[in-house]
Amino acid sequence: QVQLQESGPGLVKPSETLSLTCTVSGASISSYYWNWIRQPAGKGLEWIGRMYNSGNTADYNPSLKSRVTISVDTSKNQFSVKLSSVTAADTAVYYCARSGAMGPTEFDSWGQGTLVTVSS
Amino acid sequence: DIMMTQTPLSLSVTPGQPASISCKSSQSLLHSDGKTYLFWYLQKPGQSPQLLIHELSSRFPGVPERFSGSGSGTEFTLRISRVEAEDVGVYYCMQSIQLPFTFGPGTRADIK
Repeated sequence: QVQLQESGPGLVKPSETLSLTCTVSGASISSYYWNWIRQPAGKGLEWIGRMYNSGNTADYNPSLKSRVTISVDTSKNQFSVKLSSVTAADTAVYYCARSGAMGPTEFDSWGQGTLVTVSS
Repeated sequence: DIMMTQTPLSLSVTPGQPASISCKSSQSLLHSDGKTYLFWYLQKPGQSPQLLIHELSSRFPGVPERFSGSGSGTEFTLRISRVEAEDVGVYYCMQSIQLPFTFGPGTRADIK
């Protein structure tokens, strides 16, 4: 059974870079698609982006594309997201999720989520 | 971006009774491969979202048969044949025919 666990700082200062890591167990990071999704408090879900093809390919939400990078560490079976120049609007629960077990776009496994607050 | 809308935004359901949620997309979600890239997720209180229905009408393994998805083109419906207390939470539809993937605003379901 695949498990995903997000980790990283829970507090980031405005204008700095948010960095989170998702550790995957039960599945190889070299297979499937690996996604980041976020949810501001009390609000809906926003897809941030995904990486696949062993980390050689990434797609990003155009609304964040200029600020976001998703990368992979195959040796640790982890993937990460970096979001630069954060503001209070980036405060959210960040989820990592897998897709590609059945088709390329269904999120069949999710991490528990980690809250990131942007504040000075 | 493809815009997703849902109605109602909140739903109070009686155990044992049916319930349905509508979702509409701003563009057709029917792909040339014949599949409709419409998904339904349920986020139970305090939990991560979980996949209920993929590609319009296929139940994800382990999802009870009381959940069903239907529709075509730009209009879709999630039906619960007989609501149970464990079905409370927020239901989201999502499209993945076009990047960026986009979600509906969510329908909050509680028990009467």
